[in-house]
Amino acid sequence: DTGVSQDPRHKITKRGQNVTFRCDPISEHNRLYWYRQTLGQGPEFLTYFQNEAQLEKSRLLSDRFSAERPKGSFSTLEIQRTEQGDSAMYLCASSPQGFGTEAFFGQGTRLTVV
Amino acid sequence: QQQVKQSPQSLIVQKGGISIINCAYENTAFDYFPWYQQFPGKGPALLIAIRPDVSEKKEGRFTISFNKSAKQFSLHIMDSQPGDSATYFCAASPYTGTASKLTFGTGTRLQVTL
Repeated sequence: DTGVSQDPRHKITKRGQNVTFRCDPISEHNRLYWYRQTLGQGPEFLTYFQNEAQLEKSRLLSDRFSAERPKGSFSTLEIQRTEQGDSAMYLCASSPQGFGTEAFFGQGTRLTVV
Repeated sequence: QQQVKQSPQSLIVQKGGISIINCAYENTAFDYFPWYQQFPGKGPALLIAIRPDVSEKKEGRFTISFNKSAKQFSLHIMDSQPGDSATYFCAASPYTGTASKLTFGTGTRLQVTL
């Protein structure tokens, strides 16, 4: 399968713990995006990378959230000191650079904070 | 602040009928308007997209109608099929042709009955 891969698919954690999610984009896609989707809502933009550079960050990305994309390949999203409000589906998408290019989403990581 | 309003929240259509989903936006900086389809447990998948310099775009059974002056756009699904049963999201971005900073609507759950 050459689609966007996210790991883990599900994560249950206790409030206050740190969690890290991984996203492997489609190879040769130099753009990578993170979105968060809560139940019954549309995805909300979190951040965007072009290669290894983080070019956009939403105000939703509080100081407890950090995203990296070392070497412009896979990306990680870390949430420190998790809160119950962080429970959501975290979606990663990737696209090639260029006008009118489609972004492909992964299946997401479902985070539950108890 | 919800910048893209989507209606209806849910829709039931008979097989062969026309499904119509409407969206309205406020931010005049939006320059790209995609529609996504999402099945349970899956990430959103791009269906069709339009820019504000055209009033209509058709791809197979899917048509986007766009009214720039009213800041509204809609998705029409012709000859709706049970396999079309999914959640549909409209979205908007200030960046043409990319998934960067997409603002999604709240989604429409479509059920196509036999």
